Amino acid sequence: EAGVAQSPRYKIIEKRQSVAFWCNPISGHATLYWYQQILGQGPKLLIQFQNNGVVDDSQLPKDRFSAERLKGVDSTLKIQPAKLEDSAVYLCASSLGGTRSFDEQFFGPGTRLTVL
Amino acid sequence: QKEVEQNSGPLSVPEGAIASLNCTYSDRGSQSFFWYRQYSGKSPELIMFIYSNGDKEDGRFTAQLNKASQYVSLLIRDSQPSDSATYLCAVNIRTGGFKTIFGAGTRLFVKA
Repeated sequence: EAGVAQSPRYKIIEKRQSVAFWCNPISGHATLYWYQQILGQGPKLLIQFQNNGVVDDSQLPKDRFSAERLKGVDSTLKIQPAKLEDSAVYLCASSLGGTRSFDEQFFGPGTRLTVL
Repeated sequence: QKEVEQNSGPLSVPEGAIASLNCTYSDRGSQSFFWYRQYSGKSPELIMFIYSNGDKEDGRFTAQLNKASQYVSLLIRDSQPSDSATYLCAVNIRTGGFKTIFGAGTRLFVKA
């Protein structure tokens, strides 16, 4: 079974530039998550999709971050314009979804973003 | 108050010892609890989940949950150098669906 795919793996940009990340979840997984993990901290949920609908985006800085999941499969996360504090690893995860509270999340390798 | 709190460590134990990792959470409505392991530069991977009070064992790992005290722990028996990693405690809270809140993690170092 193929895992969660993400690209690019690394990205270096200057502040005020824009950047986009791509995620392909495990086949059949209805729920897709984007997390931001700053060095030394735990992952922070940015946005959660169930199929192509947004379940939670309460911690997404909507003035600069946007995400979409067209057709309920692949997803893109965009930052425009980037700030220095956006330097982090952006993790995509997927899970089967549904009503169970113990839904195992499978993480992709992450994209390490450095904003100069 | 942070929603999920962990001691950042590092926690250092000798090879073969028991490592005890602790986590407290603030939301009494929390439904289920997870322990993820994250090696340096890698993504988190699930070790165990627990949702009922008491102990749950899986090989060398035991998760313990006490909802009255809002406390969950992970015991690693016969610790190995390969267990050296950051251990993330995560809690699912009900928000219509479920939302996962992660702690900052505890770094574990197992000395050979």
